[in-house]
Amino acid sequence: SQELEQSPQSLIVQEGKNLTINCTSSKTLYGLYWYKQKYGEGLIFLMMLQKGGEEKSHEKITAKLDEKKQQSSLHITASQPSHAGIYLCGADHEGTGGFKTIFGAGTRLFVKA
Amino acid sequence: KAGVTQTPRYLIKTRGQQVTLSCSPISGHRSVSWYQQTPGQGLQFLFEYFSETQRNKGNFPGRFSGRQFSNSRSEMNVSTLELGDSALYLCASSLPAVGTEAFFGQGTRLTVV
Repeated sequence: SQELEQSPQSLIVQEGKNLTINCTSSKTLYGLYWYKQKYGEGLIFLMMLQKGGEEKSHEKITAKLDEKKQQSSLHITASQPSHAGIYLCGADHEGTGGFKTIFGAGTRLFVKA
Repeated sequence: KAGVTQTPRYLIKTRGQQVTLSCSPISGHRSVSWYQQTPGQGLQFLFEYFSETQRNKGNFPGRFSGRQFSNSRSEMNVSTLELGDSALYLCASSLPAVGTEAFFGQGTRLTVV
């Protein structure tokens, strides 16, 4: 979706290195979600952020939502091969019938062992 | 509890045919959303149903339709299939409120030949 821009589109990192994925919205974010997807499968929920300045961590993955609630970042520390996959950010945007969740194009992460 | 179930997992159809995909949400979830995922366009929002009513709709032609039953199960239908309809179709269920995570099924891989 052009309403949610993710960068980079793809990323190749050496195992053990840190990396950051960014997600920028053209509108105020009411709810920001990070999901991970393995090729051809469904999305696995990672984290949800709602408040400006909020930061959440799970194992080696940390997500932040900026104060203005229009940008989020996902940071992976000491990457492992198990981190490989597609990372998607999603956001609740107002539609004609209420809120709908839309997604960015995704960031494809490769981790070299 | 059981996750979101999509059937079938794989489907091959010929141009001009129609297809119906099924989604059974998590028990208690009354909101069901459908997405189309292609390498070029990413994850695109198709529509969302709540209490048997379509609440939101994405920018897809009228060949794409859906419905939801009283038990919250949902179906989507694509008529007059085109080669460009080949994609992974994902269904997600959630509680019908902003700021609640969506749970995704494994998807239906549709190939149009």
